[in-house]
Formats: sequence, C-alpha cells, structure tokens
Amino acid sequence: GQQLNQSPQSMFIQEGEDVSMNCTSSSIFNTWLWYKQDPGEGPVLLIALYKAGELTSNGRLTAQFGITRKDSFLNISASIPSDVGIYFCAGNTGTASKLTFGTGTRLQVTL
Amino acid sequence: DTAVSQTPKYLVTQMGNDKSIKCEQNLGHDTMYWYKQDSKKFLKIMFSYNNKELIINETVPNRFSPKSPDKAHLNLHINSLELGDSAVYFCASSQPRGRAFFGQGTRLTVV
Repeated sequence: GQQLNQSPQSMFIQEGEDVSMNCTSSSIFNTWLWYKQDPGEGPVLLIALYKAGELTSNGRLTAQFGITRKDSFLNISASIPSDVGIYFCAGNTGTASKLTFGTGTRLQVTL
Repeated sequence: DTAVSQTPKYLVTQMGNDKSIKCEQNLGHDTMYWYKQDSKKFLKIMFSYNNKELIINETVPNRFSPKSPDKAHLNLHINSLELGDSAVYFCASSQPRGRAFFGQGTRLTVV
C-alpha cells in the first residue's frame, strides 16, 4: 500500500526560528494537504495543493507540491509558541475518496 | 456551529462490550470517513461513504460496522470490543477528492 514518510519525526526549535518539514511518497498523488493537530483535537487543514509545482501560502505557512508529485514540503516562518503540535501531510490519488496520511512531525517551540 | 461533530468524546468500556460512536456533519458534504489514530499518532482510514454508499473498507475486522442513515450522518458500531481497539477514532467529511474536515475525535479505552 501507499506510504507517506515525513521528516523530521520531531523538532525542537526556539521561538522566532523558521521550520521546514517534508513528506515523501512511493506513489504519485494528485492532491497534497497539510494538517495540524493540537492535543485532544482533530486535525485541522492548513494548506491544500492541487497542481505539481504549486506553491501556496497561508500566513506564515508556505507549502509546495513537488514536481514529481511524490513529495511536498511545509515551511513555517518566525515560529511562535502556538505553532506547537503535530503536523501531518496527506495525499489523495484522486481515484478514490481516500486520504493517506503521513507519519507526522511533532513540533515543539521553546521561548 | 461545529462542522463535524462526534459523540461521545470519551468512551471507557470493558472487553467484550458493544459500543457505538455517532458523527454528524453540517457542511453539506457527500463523503464521510472514519479514521483510527493509534498511540503513535498514526492516522489510518477505516471506512469511506459517499452519499450513504460504502466505497472504502480498509481491511477492518467485521466487528466494526459503519452505518450511514443519510449523507450527513455516519455512525460506527463496534462489537465484542478488544483491548487493541483502544485508540482515538475520528470522523471526517469532504467533497469527493476534496479537502477533509475532521471532528474532535472519540477516545476509546477498552479495559
């Protein structure tokens, strides 16, 4: 089956630093999504990408859909304490209504 | 108004019992899902329904039976609960191949 590997698994950064995480797949995806999950909550959609090469921003967040359609990355600029959480990538092949999730990147921000 | 709501938020039960989790979405989406998140935070799809019709069943034991009385509701019934069923179960909805929105999750603990 399809697998999405995220790296790094976890990150400890200082407030104000920029963050970069990525997601790679063994298969091609038609849609890439990035979610954030806070403790005790469900994943919340941050950014959606629909075309290879697409670069999309949402405030301090920027994500790109890789040219090969097998990867995506998420950048967070000038991190703040509320950025703490688990970030998931998710891909959809478009052949079925099914999102495959990545393994997650746990982000900790220290003051 | 909560877009995707599921009840209960917490469920503690003994092995062998039968339990149900309910989910409702008010987004007008055609597709609803059940996901399972294990203790390592891996999110895995269990079922997907499109307009009340089951379209994805990801090798989930027969003890799990989803039911969609209408396209705004998707319930999950679990028979003969086992210790390994302990996890957080998330309901989600989306338009076909679109962005998925998640509920807050139901934390199931089997003792």
